[in-house]
Amino acid sequence: ELKVEQNPLFLSMQEGKNYTIYCNYSTTSDRLYWYRQDPGKSLESLFVLLSNGAVKQEGRLMASLDTKARLSTLHITAAVHDLSATYFCAVDLYSGGGADGLTFGKGTHLIIQP
Amino acid sequence: GAGVSQSPSNKVTEKGKDVELRCDPISGHTALYWYRQSLGQGLEFLIYFQGNSAPDKSGLPSDRFSAERTGGSVSTLTIQRTQQEDSAVYLCASRSRNRVNEQFFGPGTRLTVL
Repeated sequence: ELKVEQNPLFLSMQEGKNYTIYCNYSTTSDRLYWYRQDPGKSLESLFVLLSNGAVKQEGRLMASLDTKARLSTLHITAAVHDLSATYFCAVDLYSGGGADGLTFGKGTHLIIQP
Repeated sequence: GAGVSQSPSNKVTEKGKDVELRCDPISGHTALYWYRQSLGQGLEFLIYFQGNSAPDKSGLPSDRFSAERTGGSVSTLTIQRTQQEDSAVYLCASRSRNRVNEQFFGPGTRLTVL
């Protein structure tokens, strides 16, 4: 059974600081996804990481994937209040015959304070 | 373009009643997914459609849950004899044939079973 673990699950930080969210998964996979969810809203796709060593950046967010360590990180640089949200990582067990449903971590609830 | 839409946005029902939740995927998206999000269980995969067929029903929690998709477009998730533990937000997602399982989510249906 695929397990996806995120940490921390809750993070309160100040604007201007840097921090990293970690996502570990239990089974070999080279496809990992990051999503953002605002309160009462749906999930917004942030990053798609498709191979070992993949790195994607968008604004103050940067995601990376190490398939050998089964680890992805989401790094926040010089945080701003607008980045407050819950961030989920998700992994799929691509079977080659079609895409499976995603297995999600429990999410990291991020609060950025002025 | 229009995103994934779901209806109703909120549904309150009495225990034992049947409910139907609807999902309209992004036009042209061939794959459609249903997930459930609850405080206790996080985000859980329920079922996946490729066209009108469902190769993966592994996430359906019981035989009270069923889903269908017609015309390769709209999908309906039906829950029979609802129980209080079915209360959750039901999310639908779709993806195009050319995107590697990057799923785009609808706003969800919040189901409350009294």
